[in-house]
Amino acid sequence: AQSVTQLGSHVSVSEGALVLLRCNYSSSVPPYLFWYVQYPNQGLQLLLKYTTGATLVKGINGFEAEFKKSETSFHLTKPSAHMSDAAEYFCAVSSGGNKLTFGTGTQLKVEL
Amino acid sequence: EPEVTQTPSHQVTQMGQEVILRCVPISNHLYFYWYRQILGQKVEFLVSFYNNEISEKSEIFDDQFSVERPDGSNFTLKIRSTKLEDSAMYFCASSENPLVNEQFFGPGTRLTVL
Repeated sequence: AQSVTQLGSHVSVSEGALVLLRCNYSSSVPPYLFWYVQYPNQGLQLLLKYTTGATLVKGINGFEAEFKKSETSFHLTKPSAHMSDAAEYFCAVSSGGNKLTFGTGTQLKVEL
Repeated sequence: EPEVTQTPSHQVTQMGQEVILRCVPISNHLYFYWYRQILGQKVEFLVSFYNNEISEKSEIFDDQFSVERPDGSNFTLKIRSTKLEDSAMYFCASSENPLVNEQFFGPGTRLTVL
């Protein structure tokens, strides 16, 4: 069985500030981990993924995430928030195969 | 850049009616999925499809649901007799190889059951 917990359903940051969105996972096998972003009235767009290899993965739009097996975490960060980053972010886990199991999402608000 | 497309973008139906949601996956992809997102809730897996058969389905995917790949390009989700609680955004996704590639999502179909 697999599951994802995203701490904080709403996160608010100032423009230019660090973005940190938290994700913890549970998986009985080595996980594949993903971050997707959803802009209003749009589908899910992949930001980045971890499958194997380097634990620090870089994605689009300046985002990155680090897989920490000991902490069962895959937190998403961006050094400097931009207004265009305002969206909902979903962490997801896959047990190397089929379905994605998503977290409940974190709504990111960026303020001037 | 290739993308997954879905039609219609919004479907309104009466309770008890049948609906068919359509998806065109990315052309060289072999694995297909349906997910749904009830308003304000998380995205939930419904079903995966490979080699013309269901490879996995969730508890949500009961006998009222079916999927089909009627031709070489379309992938459909049918809900036989819709209920109020079927109201949700339905996302189609496809993948070339889920062991190494991510799933690409379509823009979704918003289904409203009245």
